[in-house]
Amino acid sequence: EAGVAQSPRYKIIEKRQSVAFWCNPISGHATLYWYQQILGQGPKLLIQFQNNGVVDDSQLPKDRFSAERLKGVDSTLKIQPAKLEDSAVYLCASSLGGTGAYNEQFFGPGTRLTVL
Amino acid sequence: AQSVTQLDSHVSVSEGTPVLLRCNYSSSYSPSLFWYVQHPNKGLQLLLKYTSAATLVKGINGFEAEFKKSETSFHLTKPSAHMSDAAEYFCVVLYGGSGNTGKLIFGQGTTLQVKP
Repeated sequence: EAGVAQSPRYKIIEKRQSVAFWCNPISGHATLYWYQQILGQGPKLLIQFQNNGVVDDSQLPKDRFSAERLKGVDSTLKIQPAKLEDSAVYLCASSLGGTGAYNEQFFGPGTRLTVL
Repeated sequence: AQSVTQLDSHVSVSEGTPVLLRCNYSSSYSPSLFWYVQHPNKGLQLLLKYTSAATLVKGINGFEAEFKKSETSFHLTKPSAHMSDAAEYFCVVLYGGSGNTGKLIFGQGTTLQVKP
């Protein structure tokens, strides 16, 4: 089965510019997650979607970050304007979700963002 | 609040020798715990998970972990290291519920180096 797809794999921008990342989850997965992984740290959840609704965005810096999941499938994460401290790998993950027991999250390869 | 602490940022072993990666957790109730592995330029992969069943959990690629409530530990072990085991390992706790509304809290990671 195809895994979680992300693009682009690498992006270099200057501070104050805008950038967008795209994620295509595993087919049939209702829950989609965006994580930020700063160099030398573990991933941190930014936002969680269940279908096209937001479950948790408490860690998303809403003054500059936004995310959407139209039609409950693909998702985009946008940063506008970018700051130096946004340099990180942005990981997308998906899971079957639902109201039952926890389902495994499957991670994409990530997008490495460098802000100069 | 739930959290995990990985006691070593870097572990170096020789090929064929045992691997021990240490993790302590903090939780006000019985946690769900995981170990993930991250190879360079690849997505995070689930190694194993503990969800209050057997305290000794077996995972993929010969890894296992033991949940010890008295020590609040969840150390990852492997009897014999292989060169392909060289990667970043993350101890993870599920926070905010046992189902899919919970979120993964990652430790800082341990880099495993395997020498020939």
